[in-house]
Order: sequence, then C-alpha cells, then structure tokens
Amino acid sequence: EDKVVQSPLSLVVHEGDTVTLNCSYEVTNFRSLLWYKQEKKAPTFLFMLTSSGIEKKSGRLSSILDKKELSSILNITATQTGDSAIYLCAQLEANSGGSNYKLTFGKGTLLTVNP
Amino acid sequence: AAGVIQSPRHLIKEKRETATLKCYPIPRHDTVYWYQQGPGQDPQFLISFYEKMQSDKGSIPDRFSAQQFSDYHSELNMSSLELGDSALYFCASSFRGGRYSGNTIYFGEGSWLTVV
Repeated sequence: EDKVVQSPLSLVVHEGDTVTLNCSYEVTNFRSLLWYKQEKKAPTFLFMLTSSGIEKKSGRLSSILDKKELSSILNITATQTGDSAIYLCAQLEANSGGSNYKLTFGKGTLLTVNP
Repeated sequence: AAGVIQSPRHLIKEKRETATLKCYPIPRHDTVYWYQQGPGQDPQFLISFYEKMQSDKGSIPDRFSAQQFSDYHSELNMSSLELGDSALYFCASSFRGGRYSGNTIYFGEGSWLTVV
C-alpha cells in the first residue's frame, strides 16, 4: 500500500487557470512533507512543510500542510505553459532516535498547461 | 551555488556487466540518498548514508551495493546488470547535523543507465 498518495494523477488546464494538487501521507515517523517539480530530469525542490497551517509561498506557488487530515495541497495560480511538469510530493520520515531518514515519494501529478 | 554532482550522466552497459555511479553531495552535506526511477515511474528509494555509515535501506537489489567515502562522496555499484535496471538513478544530499533541523533534500541531475 502506498504511503504517499497524490491526486489527481494527471491534470490538463489552460493558461491562467488555478490548480490545486493534493497529497496525503502516513503519520508514522513523519517529519516533513516536501514538494518537488520534475520536468526533464531531477526533481527540483519547491517547498518543505513541517508545521501545520502555515502557508508557504513562492511567486504563484503556495503550499500548506494539514496535520489533522494528514494532507497537503500545492496551489498554482495563473498557470503558465512553463508550469507543465510532474509535481511530486514526498514524506520525510525518521525513526524515533532521529538517526535514520528516508524520503518516500508519491506517484506524482502530471500537470499539462495548454496555451 | 554548488549542487549535487553525479557522474557519469549517461551510461550504456550490456547485460551481466557491472556499472558504478558516483555522487558528490553539496559541500558540508553529511547525508546522501540514492533513488532509482524507471520509465514512467516515481522515484524509488534505494539506500542512504549518514556520516559514511549506511543509514537506511530501501528496495535495493542484492546485486547492488553502495558506500560513502571519507570525503562524503558516494558510489553505487551495480553488478550482473539486467535489462530492468535501465533507469534514471538520482543521488540526493542533505545536511542533518547533530540533530534534526528540518533538513531539505537536494537532488542531482541523475545518471541515465541503459542496459542492452
């Protein structure tokens, strides 16, 4: 069973639309939730969320964590064709001693922004 | 700013051969992670190292091994290569320090391995 679940799996929008991507995670050993954008190769870091209810913003992108619901959303406003990519959500988990860390990815949301 | 450096960027090997991928983490980062991403798949965690010791192990095949050296660079060794090993191999690094500090994980560009 997948630990990190993203939805939708794919999304097609027009330029200027606003999109919301969802990510749910497991609570076991949870430390942080990270969002990445993957275009051609390596995922590019977007946000790291550790505290619930605090929105992080970067330009047209914003993200927030809800620890009660074990979920996070990534919002993109006024989408552009350059936003077309796979958006990956990942859970950073650590053991109780904090000596072992692991990043577990969801399957990603493929966002296509058409002109 | 310096990023995670991986080499080689592309590698073609035949079945049953051996391949070695190298990863140079961001300076002062003490933790290295290896991921494998097959075509159309999400990245799968293989193994991680902290301060040159294996930290966590994921879905790494027995044919693969990895280590982190004194200069913190890491190598992923893959033997008896199979066609299914063809994938993009990512290395990532972070700074954990002496305590958890909400470290961010940064990825390299990846190494493309094609097994023919």
